[in-house]
Amino acid sequence: SQQGEEDPQALSIQEGENATMNCSYKTSINNLQWYRQNSGRGLVHLILIRSNEREKHSGRLRVTLDTSKKSSSLLITASRAADTASYFCATGSTGGGNKLTFGTGTQLKVEL
Amino acid sequence: DTGVSQNPRHKITKRGQNVTFRCDPISEHNRLYWYRQTLGQGPEFLTYFQNEAQLEKSRLLSDRFSAERPKGSFSTLEIQRTEQGDSAMYLCASSLSTGTDQPQHFGDGTRLSIL
Repeated sequence: SQQGEEDPQALSIQEGENATMNCSYKTSINNLQWYRQNSGRGLVHLILIRSNEREKHSGRLRVTLDTSKKSSSLLITASRAADTASYFCATGSTGGGNKLTFGTGTQLKVEL
Repeated sequence: DTGVSQNPRHKITKRGQNVTFRCDPISEHNRLYWYRQTLGQGPEFLTYFQNEAQLEKSRLLSDRFSAERPKGSFSTLEIQRTEQGDSAMYLCASSLSTGTDQPQHFGDGTRLSIL
């Protein structure tokens, strides 16, 4: 079953604007990861934040993690039409194997 | 750099037939994962291997499903006596096993449609 909930389910913005997506989860985690999925394709790893980290940056991406609230956010700055995709958060389990538990995803549409 | 490769990309079959999918992971990755994704949902974990050993299976993996990774390289996922509810995208991912913070690299999946 899905562990996480993502908010919003869908987001439509203009090119150049920032996009913020939120993710909540339920259990203890080793890490939280964000993935992007273009329609009909596999998932592409974007960024990983460890459970003892609070904020991480990678290019136009900024991720925050609040373990006390069991929540994370992904900010994409200066969005481009090519950022149009579904975005999923996934938590890596504290058990062996680092299997991922995914949220339900946010569909982002960036319009020209 | 060769990524994760899955074949076939699409499979259409009649209910009750058996199907087999193949995944070729990134060569130096010793962990291999299978996930299932239905429309509008995030992927759900099915099973994973470390080298040739299958170390965990989800309750989603019924008796009709079997996965193998015989030489610790490629993996196959077989579904026997397919049902309508098996229609989904089947995704394979691979990663290194050092530490607990390795990202997973996904293939483009096999989309299964049951008629």
